Amino acid sequence: KAGVTQTPRYLIKTRGQQVTLSCSPISGHRSVSWYQQTPGQGLQFLFEYFSETQRNKGNFPGRFSGRQFSNSRSEMNVSTLELGDSALYLCASSLEHRNSPLHFGNGTRLTVT
Amino acid sequence: KQEVTQIPAALSVPEGENLVLNCSFTDSAIYNLQWFRQDPGKGLTSLLLIQSSQREQTSGRLNASLDKSSGRSTLYIAASQPGDSATYLCAVTSGTYKYIFGTGTRLKVLA
Repeated sequence: KAGVTQTPRYLIKTRGQQVTLSCSPISGHRSVSWYQQTPGQGLQFLFEYFSETQRNKGNFPGRFSGRQFSNSRSEMNVSTLELGDSALYLCASSLEHRNSPLHFGNGTRLTVT
Repeated sequence: KQEVTQIPAALSVPEGENLVLNCSFTDSAIYNLQWFRQDPGKGLTSLLLIQSSQREQTSGRLNASLDKSSGRSTLYIAASQPGDSATYLCAVTSGTYKYIFGTGTRLKVLA
């Protein structure tokens, strides 16, 4: 069974631009969640989707948004990029979020210059 | 507000030692606690998930325990190997469908 796939693996953007990251969950998984990982703040929850609905959201500004499609694939978008948005963005999928293990992709490394 | 702390932040042990990693959380109203390992530049790999009604889970050389009332979990690694070198993170499900992660313990097992 294929794992969680995130594309692209690396991305370099300029301040003020916007970016879209993609996540394909494990087949059959309907929950997808997104996380930002930085050396200073660690791993922080962004949002979680189940059956195309956002069920929860972390404490991030509105510049961070996401969506989930009917095939459970998910995208997250960051608009008006800031230097502080440089991070590893991780996506995880699970069968049903609450008591199912999270399975992570290898992440997208975003660098904002 | 749920906070998750992991001590120590870093640990270096000789191969073959048994070791314990600690995870503490401030709000005992959790659904479950999950342990992960992360290799440099990679995503997280799920190791063990303990539901709130359970006391421990075992997988191979790994054993995780959960004491909800005291807000603590431990990950026991038996007979450590160099391949166990990684960062270990714990996470609790707190509130609705939301994982809160600890800061991690960076483990190095010396051959």
